[in-house]
Amino acid sequence: GAVVSQHPSRVICKSGTSVKIECRSLDFQATTMFWYRQFPKKSLMLMATSNEGSKATYEQGVEKDKFLINHASLTLSTLTVTSAHPEDSSFYICSARTEANTEAFFGQGTRLTVV
Amino acid sequence: AQSVTQLGSHVSVSEGALVLLRCNYSSSVPPYLFWYVQYPNQGLQLLLKYTTGATLVKGINGFEAEFKKSETSFHLTKPSAHMSDAAEYFCAVSLQGFQKLVFGTGTRLLVSP
Repeated sequence: GAVVSQHPSRVICKSGTSVKIECRSLDFQATTMFWYRQFPKKSLMLMATSNEGSKATYEQGVEKDKFLINHASLTLSTLTVTSAHPEDSSFYICSARTEANTEAFFGQGTRLTVV
Repeated sequence: AQSVTQLGSHVSVSEGALVLLRCNYSSSVPPYLFWYVQYPNQGLQLLLKYTTGATLVKGINGFEAEFKKSETSFHLTKPSAHMSDAAEYFCAVSLQGFQKLVFGTGTRLLVSP
């Protein structure tokens, strides 16, 4: 099946710095990608919908200036956590939807720890 | 707006026993329904999905789920649990295909020998 690669799988950063997470669809073009955040022992919360070549659509309560999303190509979307703080520590997961809207494939997730 | 309720944050079964994970949804229009499995520190893998048509949906690894509109349910079952089935399971709903999935809180399946 299709593969979505997310990098890095784990990252530790200092408070106040920025971290970039990449989400790549390896063998299909994804005009739409989604970014989720998963808190410990909690469900996945959709943060934003990323559309290639246009601005991302953020869910209510998600700070767009803090969580910058770029979808510059049909196979790559990036999430940058700016000025990270310990409360941003979480598991971030991306998914990429096929153009035919028949399935969405998930990346393996990124464990962000802000110290 | 859609929502998903998964009853039971943990379900424990013995190897070989029936697995039943419950999911109820709320949607103003006919929904698309999904079950995903997540292993520790990994992303999600689609087990099965219901879009239209046959209400009994078969997925990977021997899992199946039945869409019951009258009960607004989409419970996941497997006749015989295997140790490798131990994982977190998420039920999800969307209004249109794979656009903006809304997830339940998840159910951790524990399988004992």
